[in-house]
Amino acid sequence: ILNVEQSPQSLHVQEGDSTNFTCSFPSSNFYALHWYRWETAKSPEALFVMTLNGDEKKKGRISATLNTKEGYSYLYIKGSQPEDSATYLCAPYGGSQGNLIFGKGTKLSVKP
Amino acid sequence: ETGVTQTPRHLVMGMTNKKSLKCEQHLGHNAMYWYKQSAKKPLELMFVYSLEERVENNSVPSRFSPECPNSSHLFLHLHTLQPEDSALYLCASSLSDRGPAEQFFGPGTRLTVL
Repeated sequence: ILNVEQSPQSLHVQEGDSTNFTCSFPSSNFYALHWYRWETAKSPEALFVMTLNGDEKKKGRISATLNTKEGYSYLYIKGSQPEDSATYLCAPYGGSQGNLIFGKGTKLSVKP
Repeated sequence: ETGVTQTPRHLVMGMTNKKSLKCEQHLGHNAMYWYKQSAKKPLELMFVYSLEERVENNSVPSRFSPECPNSSHLFLHLHTLQPEDSALYLCASSLSDRGPAEQFFGPGTRLTVL
């Protein structure tokens, strides 16, 4: 079973703060890592799909890094805004099951 | 607008009822998925269809029966459900069922089984 851990479970920050979350996963049989953003009452939305060790991707104020050898990925948000409030899910693809295995997510709340 | 729609958005049913959830995508994708999210649990994959053929069935009870009549439509037929089946059911699609293909999710159906 592919064990995916995300930390912290929840995070409360002030508008303008920068923040980061962690996704840990078994490094064996790695194929790809997905990050999704899920706002309340909306659909999960893909942020990044990463495949290469050392990969770094950026979309506006959000960026992510990937370390496949040690099995972790960081998601960074620079200058958080209230509209960044959402649950951020990571999902590695690979392992014995060969499908996306989602973590429980990090719930971010940004106060104005 | 993600291009993936689901109906109904909310469903309340008794344990003896039969109902169906519908998912539709107009993104030209070849793979479609059913996920379940129960309270305080991560998204759990239930079924994967690729080019209208089921390629994954994650040990889901037979009271859940998927159907994929074509690459744009996916159904989840429900019968004799249990209260513990109450959850949010999400449909997703992707260009292929391989890892790098990002998945596009629908808004989900909130199911309550009485």
